Amino acid sequence: SQTIHQWPATLVQPVGSPLSLECTVEGTSNPNLYWYRQAAGRGLQLLFYSVGIGQISSEVPQNLSASRPQDRQFILSSKKLLLSDSGFYLCAFLAGGLASTDTQYFGPGTRLTVL
Amino acid sequence: SQKIEQNSEALNIQEGKTATLTCNYTNYSPAYLQWYRQDPGRGPVFLLLIRENEKEKRKERLKVTFDTTLKQSLFHITASQPADSATYLCAPRQKVTFGIGTKLQVIP
Repeated sequence: SQTIHQWPATLVQPVGSPLSLECTVEGTSNPNLYWYRQAAGRGLQLLFYSVGIGQISSEVPQNLSASRPQDRQFILSSKKLLLSDSGFYLCAFLAGGLASTDTQYFGPGTRLTVL
Repeated sequence: SQKIEQNSEALNIQEGKTATLTCNYTNYSPAYLQWYRQDPGRGPVFLLLIRENEKEKRKERLKVTFDTTLKQSLFHITASQPADSATYLCAPRQKVTFGIGTKLQVIP
């Protein structure tokens, strides 16, 4: 069966420190992968999506970056965190490709607090 | 610009009644709409998908309608229970920003 993992579950980081959040998917190959952020009281905002290894599309310009070193691994990074980077980060995958009506499946999320 | 809106941020309803949530879209003709449930501190969970050529889709106590003339989808929970309390999100396709959703509170 298809599963998605994210870690860490929670993270508290000082302003200016680096960030690395990891997402892995099991039970599917060549999935589309997504990173979303949800600020407190706000909707889900799409940050990045990837249709394949090394292929990253950015939806919102910011100090975050994403990488996909392996087919089922998606990493969200920052060199220097800002206070405004605090939020709930969700990774999601889509098994059927963008042309499909398949559903996105979301991971458990990472709660990031930048102090 | 394309826009997806849910008509209210919060909805309180008595247990046993039918909850109806609305999703409106403008400047857009989505081929389908998806509804998700999100509990606090968790990722959204897929509930139902309805295509533009489908008028209605049901799953247990859930019912979704899709009116392309009104540019609206309605999400119904019949015989609502306190366990149905959550935030419900609609989304036209996979690569979009979800709205805030509607926070449903079912009161015992």
